[in-house]
Amino acid sequence: SAVISQKPSRDICQRGTSLTIQCQVDSQVTMMFWYRQQPGQSLTLIATANQGSEATYESGFVIDKFPISRPNLTFSTLTVSNMSPEDSSIYLCSVEMQGSGIQYFGAGTRLSVL
Amino acid sequence: GIQVEQSPPDLILQEGANSTLRCNFSDSVNNLQWFHQNPWGQLINLFYIPSGTKQNGRLSATTVATERYSLLYISSSQTTDSGVYFCAGDNSGGYQKVTFGTGTKLQVIP
Repeated sequence: SAVISQKPSRDICQRGTSLTIQCQVDSQVTMMFWYRQQPGQSLTLIATANQGSEATYESGFVIDKFPISRPNLTFSTLTVSNMSPEDSSIYLCSVEMQGSGIQYFGAGTRLSVL
Repeated sequence: GIQVEQSPPDLILQEGANSTLRCNFSDSVNNLQWFHQNPWGQLINLFYIPSGTKQNGRLSATTVATERYSLLYISSSQTTDSGVYFCAGDNSGGYQKVTFGTGTKLQVIP
């Protein structure tokens, strides 16, 4: 398994501002993912964070709104830009362990936008 | 993409009761997994079960890949089993895009 540290655990932000969420893994992993979970809903994949190249975004998510960095095999950040109340969600980082197909999740970031 | 439906959407159990949660996929899937999200939001991987049956304590899971469904059995339920159960899988040959199911919200009452 993997130990995944996600920061911050929660935040309350003002409309129009940006928040950067950090995800640190205790071992090198190839695949890192960012998910959004809106209140009472299931998880939706935002993007796959690729080391050394641009992230791969899913339909409905764009780089200008959710820029992602992946400087190495143990760390990634997700920024939620120009926030609105509709961005209030839990944002989760996950990793897949070296081709196993098994995913592990960080504790999530609970974001509230006023 | 694939659609993943879970049933029932909500379930209330008396402590000690047994239950079965179901997950149906619209297409064949790889890397089928079951997760438990506790009331604080943490997702825990319960089973990686692309096919066959596995057991872990009071929990067991069965996947029938040819019929595109998976079952999660909870026996002798405890209040700590409360939360939301998700199944998830991918069918993307070569590029893993995991799709999560709609979830089953379980409440175990003492």
